[in-house]
Amino acid sequence: GQNIDQPTEMTATEGAIVQINCTYQTSGFNGLFWYQQHAGEAPTFLSYNVLDGLEEKGRFSSFLSRSKGYSYLLLKELQMKDSASYLCALNDMRFGAGTRLTVKP
Amino acid sequence: EAGVVQSPRYKIIEKKQPVAFWCNPISGHNTLYWYRQNLGQGPELLIRYENEEAVDDSQLPKDRFSAERLKGVDSTLKIQPAELGDSAVYLCASSPRVRQVDNEQFFGPGTRLTVL
Repeated sequence: GQNIDQPTEMTATEGAIVQINCTYQTSGFNGLFWYQQHAGEAPTFLSYNVLDGLEEKGRFSSFLSRSKGYSYLLLKELQMKDSASYLCALNDMRFGAGTRLTVKP
Repeated sequence: EAGVVQSPRYKIIEKKQPVAFWCNPISGHNTLYWYRQNLGQGPELLIRYENEEAVDDSQLPKDRFSAERLKGVDSTLKIQPAELGDSAVYLCASSPRVRQVDNEQFFGPGTRLTVL
């Protein structure tokens, strides 16, 4: 997606912590979403941030800085099943290209 | 609760042929979206409906694509004629409310279109 940037690929080890970054440019910010998409499957909702700060949800947390146009998704205690693409999306339905995460034993 | 239903799951056609995709959103969801997703890319919005009204179709290639959502429930997306570059996964999603900034989207399994 235009003006939404994410790293293309990341690799991490089972049990570790990984941070997936997303930077964006928009004229009217109304919130940022993170979705998980396993290969060949539909995206599923992970989190929504509209205010600055960290939102924690179990092993997954999402952070937002509106002044910097920056968000990250933090995955703790990585499991093999976390291998997937992670998409950040703005509230105007623009999606980033996704970050493909591979979790290795 | 049943999720978003799409059919067919796979479609192979020759270029210049027409094709149609069907979507039934989650019951009670007023907002419906059609996306196109190319391999290695994020979904790209084609059209968004609030109830039966198309409120954002700016990315829909109107020369060959059309969509309808009669009665504000299920929806059909059509391509006529299809081109080689239309090969992609077409995703349908729905959200519970209209004009809600934190509208989580629930995606269907998608239709994988191959144009030969």
